Amino acid sequence: QKEVEQDPGPLSVPEGAIVSLNCTYSNSAFQYFMWYRQYSRKGPELLMYTYSSGNKEDGRFTAQVDKSSKYISLFIRDSQPSDSATYLCAMTRTQGGSEKLVFGKGTKLTVNP
Amino acid sequence: EPEVTQTPSHQVTQMGQEVILRCVPISNHLYFYWYRQILGQKVEFLVSFYNNEISEKSEIFDDQFSVERPDGSNFTLKIRSTKLEDSAMYFCASTSRTADTQYFGPGTRLTVL
Repeated sequence: QKEVEQDPGPLSVPEGAIVSLNCTYSNSAFQYFMWYRQYSRKGPELLMYTYSSGNKEDGRFTAQVDKSSKYISLFIRDSQPSDSATYLCAMTRTQGGSEKLVFGKGTKLTVNP
Repeated sequence: EPEVTQTPSHQVTQMGQEVILRCVPISNHLYFYWYRQILGQKVEFLVSFYNNEISEKSEIFDDQFSVERPDGSNFTLKIRSTKLEDSAMYFCASTSRTADTQYFGPGTRLTVL
């Protein structure tokens, strides 16, 4: 079983839709979870950072962690064409990012006007 | 806002040649990383560097690879004898003890012919 699994999509939605992106993981030692956004041929850009189970909200974005199920989600409300990108989940065992990040493969999202 | 920068943005080289990829991490950061992303695949950890030595390296980071912090600002990745399969995007990242996670540069696209 892969350490981090993420459906690569592609996912295509109309503008204004609610988008749900998900990752599962197998290593119960992962404690810190991140979502990065990556535009074509650019570096990953941090969107959300969460620790422990529960929800964290930032504007139109909500990150959700369920450690018992080893499942994390990112919800995007009122999606915009500018949200079109690849979304990467990443996780690590320790705080502060001093340890390597383990990434999912990324989900490519297109929001159509 | 401080950023990680990388040069060059694109490097084309012949198989067997040496390449050096350069990064300037965020100025107060102490932990430095290299990741790579082969086209269509996930971002993979190569090596982490702290206190002027390698903290951790992956199986990919074999004897052909080396890293160096030659001065107070630059962080370099050297590939001694490039192979076709080294063609990828190479991302530098950095973080500090108090940062939530790692911050990525825009990447260097390496093409080995």
